[in-house]
Amino acid sequence: ETGVTQSPTHLIKTRGQQVTLRCSSQSGHNTVSWYQQALGQGPQFIFQYYREEENGRGNFPPRFSGLQFPNYSSELNVNALELDDSALYLCASRPSADARAKLFFGSGTQLSVL
Amino acid sequence: DQQVKQNSPSLSVQEGRISILNCDYTNSMFDYFLWYKKYPAEGPTFLISISSIKDKNEDGRFTVFLNKSAKHLSLHIVPSQPGDSAVYFCAASHQGAQKLVFGQGTRLTINP
Repeated sequence: ETGVTQSPTHLIKTRGQQVTLRCSSQSGHNTVSWYQQALGQGPQFIFQYYREEENGRGNFPPRFSGLQFPNYSSELNVNALELDDSALYLCASRPSADARAKLFFGSGTQLSVL
Repeated sequence: DQQVKQNSPSLSVQEGRISILNCDYTNSMFDYFLWYKKYPAEGPTFLISISSIKDKNEDGRFTVFLNKSAKHLSLHIVPSQPGDSAVYFCAASHQGAQKLVFGQGTRLTINP
């Protein structure tokens, strides 16, 4: 059973550019969430996808968008990158949309915006 | 607005002794609490959880205590082992919510 995998592991972009981060959920998991972890902070919820539909969103601007595919893999897109977007982006999957279902995290993508 | 707070950024404990990590929350709607552990270059991994209908939950060396009136939870690790050195996050959720709200984390170092 493969766990949650994310790509790329590291990424450097310049301000104003756009970025796409990818995530493969754990086998059997139909719900994917994305979190942003800034340096020295805990992860902050960006949004969640359940069966290809967004079903929850945190306090992030619309330039943060996502997709979930029929195989339950997911993408996080960030447009018009800002310096403050530099962070570790974590993808997590769970076997159902139930908030009590355990979240399984990937190792993250470290994004640096220069 | 930091709804979940871990006020100790770091904690150092001798191997074999008890480690106590603390977490406070402000949102009375939270009814489910979790602890995650994170090693460098890895994602957080689930450690233990507790529902608000309980005040204690144990799993081997790990025990979580919940004090609802004080809006406080703690994680006890006993005995502490070198492999426990990691960053520990507490997190909270409530019925119907899709997200977990995390604290800032506490870096635990176990000294031999």
